Amino acid sequence: DAGITQSPRHKVTETGTPVTLRCHQTENHRYMYWYRQDPGHGLRLIHYSYGVKDTDKGEVSDGYSVSRSKTEDFLLTLESATSSQTSVYFCAISDGYYGYTFGSGTRLTVV
Amino acid sequence: GENVEQHPSTLSVQEGDSAVIKCTYSDSASNYFPWYKQELGKRPQLIIDIRSNVGEKKDQRIAVTLNKTAKHFSLHITETQPEDSAVYFCAASIQGAQKLVFGQGTRLTINP
Repeated sequence: DAGITQSPRHKVTETGTPVTLRCHQTENHRYMYWYRQDPGHGLRLIHYSYGVKDTDKGEVSDGYSVSRSKTEDFLLTLESATSSQTSVYFCAISDGYYGYTFGSGTRLTVV
Repeated sequence: GENVEQHPSTLSVQEGDSAVIKCTYSDSASNYFPWYKQELGKRPQLIIDIRSNVGEKKDQRIAVTLNKTAKHFSLHITETQPEDSAVYFCAASIQGAQKLVFGQGTRLTINP
């Protein structure tokens, strides 16, 4: 497909539990991103990575952490999930010149 | 920080007519402006992009124009078809960083 996969596709979790979303790419792109999509807000950047072990915060990073130990994997962790983190999460990759390629998304529901 | 405003939030046009979506950006150093189409339940997909050294770019029925002085850019879809119905997002690059800021999206509906 697009060389980028997200897992899981859907998840329901309880408030206060930790959750990890995975993004895996086969394109060997340097840049990886996590966005959340909510009605009326478009796509908002949570965290991004510009290389192995190199990450930075986006505009809505509170309550989230990330890790990138290999070029192909970028993990997003919600340390203690809250209802406000119910959203659709998209991972994206870029070679730094062309636009992003997005993953299929993870629909997360926190109850 | 960089801000991108997108209008309108919803747009309904008759099949065969043209549709125009407009975006404004705040950072004069932005130099890359992509547009994404997102069908219901699917991922956003890049449909066209433009860089700051170009004023207009076309790809079949879609075109993008850029006015750097006014800091706005627009997506034009001609001869609209039912399959053009989707949510469209504009975005602008952030100076010095390989990341994009997105507009709020436009839901385009093509009426048969």
